[in-house]
Amino acid sequence: DVVMTQSPLSLPVTLGQPASISCRSSQSLVYSNGNTYLSWFQQRPGQSPRRLIYKVSNRDSGVPDRFSGSGSGTDFTLKISRVEAEDVGVYYCMQGTHWPGGTFGQGTKVEIK
Amino acid sequence: DVQLVESGGGLVQPGGSLRLSCAASGFTFSTYWMYWVRQPPGKGLVWVSRINPDGSYTTYADSVKGRFTISRDNAKNTLFLQMSSLRAEDTAVYYCVRDPFKEVAGEWGQGTLVTVSS
Repeated sequence: DVVMTQSPLSLPVTLGQPASISCRSSQSLVYSNGNTYLSWFQQRPGQSPRRLIYKVSNRDSGVPDRFSGSGSGTDFTLKISRVEAEDVGVYYCMQGTHWPGGTFGQGTKVEIK
Repeated sequence: DVQLVESGGGLVQPGGSLRLSCAASGFTFSTYWMYWVRQPPGKGLVWVSRINPDGSYTTYADSVKGRFTISRDNAKNTLFLQMSSLRAEDTAVYYCVRDPFKEVAGEWGQGTLVTVSS
């Protein structure tokens, strides 16, 4: 089974400063059709998760452009260029290339210093 | 707007059964993969099951295989999760999700809480 490993698990950030979350998979996430099925989700306190990024780097409609996704193969990154108060929450990566097992990372808690 | 509304959660004894529903609107339900994801209290997200658009193909997490059954009624725009032989470790908020990997998709419902306890 594919294992998704996020780091760090806790990320205190100063308002206005950048933040970066790593997500590493135990196997390449490149599918046979050439696509890489790696999504990022944000879960604010007390809310349902919300997708931010799909297929590594495609930002969903309505997601601020301070969020960006990058990476390839087994190494992926979610970056927030300038953290705002509303970005507090837990961020998860999820792979959809290898089934069964749409595996999530453990989650990274972003908080304001 | 896309809406996913789960229902059917509640308190059930170990070994019992429960059927969750997810009413979908705002999109052509019959053309999307649909997923169930759960979140135990205070813990992370865990994928449970998924079903293809016409309902002919399903996959399950090992932890629920043989106990849970995913299905859908495309005429009624509704996704289901039949849960049986429930265990304490099945206690979680259950979310339905529109294809987490497809463009113009990825929405989550508000979740429904399932508590397995005597």
